Amino acid sequence: DAGVTQSPTHLIKTRGQHVTLRCSPISGHKSVSWYQQVLGQGPQFIFQYYEKEERGRGNFPDRFSARQFPNYSSELNVNALLLGDSALYLCASTGPAGELFFGEGSRLTVL
Amino acid sequence: GIQVEQSPPDLILQEGANSTLRCNFSDSVNNLQWFHQNPWGQLINLFYIPSGTKQNGRLSATTVATERYSLLYISSSQTTDSGVYFCAVRAGDYKLSFGAGTTVTVRA
Repeated sequence: DAGVTQSPTHLIKTRGQHVTLRCSPISGHKSVSWYQQVLGQGPQFIFQYYEKEERGRGNFPDRFSARQFPNYSSELNVNALLLGDSALYLCASTGPAGELFFGEGSRLTVL
Repeated sequence: GIQVEQSPPDLILQEGANSTLRCNFSDSVNNLQWFHQNPWGQLINLFYIPSGTKQNGRLSATTVATERYSLLYISSSQTTDSGVYFCAVRAGDYKLSFGAGTTVTVRA
């Protein structure tokens, strides 16, 4: 079975641009979460979605938004990119016991 | 929010050595996971262990929930064990809170 898949794996943007990151959860998993990991730190929670509804939001500005589709895949959108948004963005789906499974991440560089 | 502290921050091992990584957390949890982050950034699930003891090959983990700590044991370390090990907990809400990680370097 496929794990959590994310795209793109790497991307470079300039300040002020917009970015969309995509995630497909493990088959059968209905909850998707997004995390941001900057260099040298642990991942920080951004959003959780379950059955297309936002269940939680971390301490991130409104420039960050997300949505979940009927097939449980998800998009993370970031507007007006700043240099500080450069990070590894990780998507996770939640298993039946509540454990999280992470994808390989999307590495965003903002120039 | 819940605080997660991992120790030591860095660990250098000779191949074949054993080691123990510790995770302390500040509140009761209903989820605790250990991850290994490989050099390409992927978080690999090691254990889902909100309480008790589990073993998987050369790795084992113990969580003592009443005392708010978890331990990850690496035995007979190999160079492929190098990387960053994260402990992450959930305290009843929807998010995992991560520690700062332990960077393990195994030398041949």
